[in-house]
Amino acid sequence: EIVLTQSPATLSLSPGERATLSCRASQSVDSQLAWYQQKPGQAPRLLIHDASNRATGIPPRFSGSGSGTDFTLTISSLQPEDIATYYCQKYNNARALTFGGGTKVEI
Amino acid sequence: QVQLVESGGGVVQPGRSLRLSCAASGFTLSTYAMNWVRQAPGKGLQWVAVVSYDGSDKFHADSVKGRFTISRDNVKNTLYLQMNSLRTEDTAIYYCARALTRRITISAFDVWGRGTMVTVSS
Repeated sequence: EIVLTQSPATLSLSPGERATLSCRASQSVDSQLAWYQQKPGQAPRLLIHDASNRATGIPPRFSGSGSGTDFTLTISSLQPEDIATYYCQKYNNARALTFGGGTKVEI
Repeated sequence: QVQLVESGGGVVQPGRSLRLSCAASGFTLSTYAMNWVRQAPGKGLQWVAVVSYDGSDKFHADSVKGRFTISRDNVKNTLYLQMNSLRTEDTAIYYCARALTRRITISAFDVWGRGTMVTVSS
């Protein structure tokens, strides 16, 4: 079973700073990786799919990169509304559409 | 607009059953794979199950295999999750979520419902 490890667990930054979130897979998932944003009390929202493609309506300050086992979500200039927990998810195998443990972004 | 609305949650005793529903509107359910995802209080997201767009393929997480069953009724535009032999560790918000790409089972999830809470407690 492929495990997704996200780091750091918590990221504390100031508005305008660059946020770099990591997701590492224990085995290759090719580019079949997504990133989600979840604010308290809300459902998750798709940000990035296929490792680097922004979902519809997602601001360009969000970008994704990587392939194989190492992936990064970058928020180029952190906004107050970006306070949330971010999850990566792999979907290379329909038997295990696993999520990572999440990174909480604080300001 | 495109919308998913879950229902059927509640408080149930360990060992009992519950069926969740997810009503779809604003899109043609029959062309999309659908998923259930859960989130225990204060915890992360856990994928539960997926069903292909036509219902021919179903996969369940190991933690629920043999106890939960995902199904769909494309005529009624509704997704279901039958949960049997419930355990306290099944306590969570249950979300339904749509696959991003038509007719593809393996896909990111682009539309989510607001969730329904299931509490398993004696």
